[in-house]
Amino acid sequence: QKEVEQNSGPLSVPEGAIASLNCTYSDRVSQSFFWYRQYSGKSPELIMSIYSNGDKEDGRFTAQLNKASQYVSLLIRDSQPSDSATYLCAVEDGDDKIIFGKGTRLHILP
Amino acid sequence: DTAVSQTPKYLVTQMGNDKSIKCEQNLGHDTMYWYKQDSKKFLKIMFSYNNKELIINETVPNRFSPKSPDKAHLNLHINSLELGDSAVYFCASSQGKSQPQHFGDGTRLSIL
Repeated sequence: QKEVEQNSGPLSVPEGAIASLNCTYSDRVSQSFFWYRQYSGKSPELIMSIYSNGDKEDGRFTAQLNKASQYVSLLIRDSQPSDSATYLCAVEDGDDKIIFGKGTRLHILP
Repeated sequence: DTAVSQTPKYLVTQMGNDKSIKCEQNLGHDTMYWYKQDSKKFLKIMFSYNNKELIINETVPNRFSPKSPDKAHLNLHINSLELGDSAVYFCASSQGKSQPQHFGDGTRLSIL
């Protein structure tokens, strides 16, 4: 059973601090990794995609990938109350199928 | 312009009925998906089509039947609805397999 694991949270972070969200996956052949944000009652929206080891930065967001450790993370700098949402990690399983984690609820404290 | 649109947004119906959900994307994408998100917010893939061809068919009851008349449309028909079918159903599309996906707003299905 191919799995994507995330801590369900909630993760509480003070406004202005760095929020760190983590994800591990079971399939060593996975090549594509995604982070989605989902506000309550809304649909998931893509934040970042990452395909190679290392860091990828986009504005306040940084995705980090370590294929050897089967680990992908998302850092949010200067956290804002509007960042409060559920963050879904998604991993391609080697058979062109995307598997979603159960998500981490992030709460930014004003 | 809505990129991925689903209809209806809400569907309230009785057990045993048959219903359909429609999805259309105007992004020119080749691949479309249906996901089910249950009350615990777990998003699980049901079906995927690439250029009208079924490529992913997860362990889903036969009561669920997808249909793709062309690569811009993917509809979902559900027969003999059961209480456990209550969930939010999301349609999504992507340029290709394993590419970033764009989601519709979801259809909230409630079975009475």
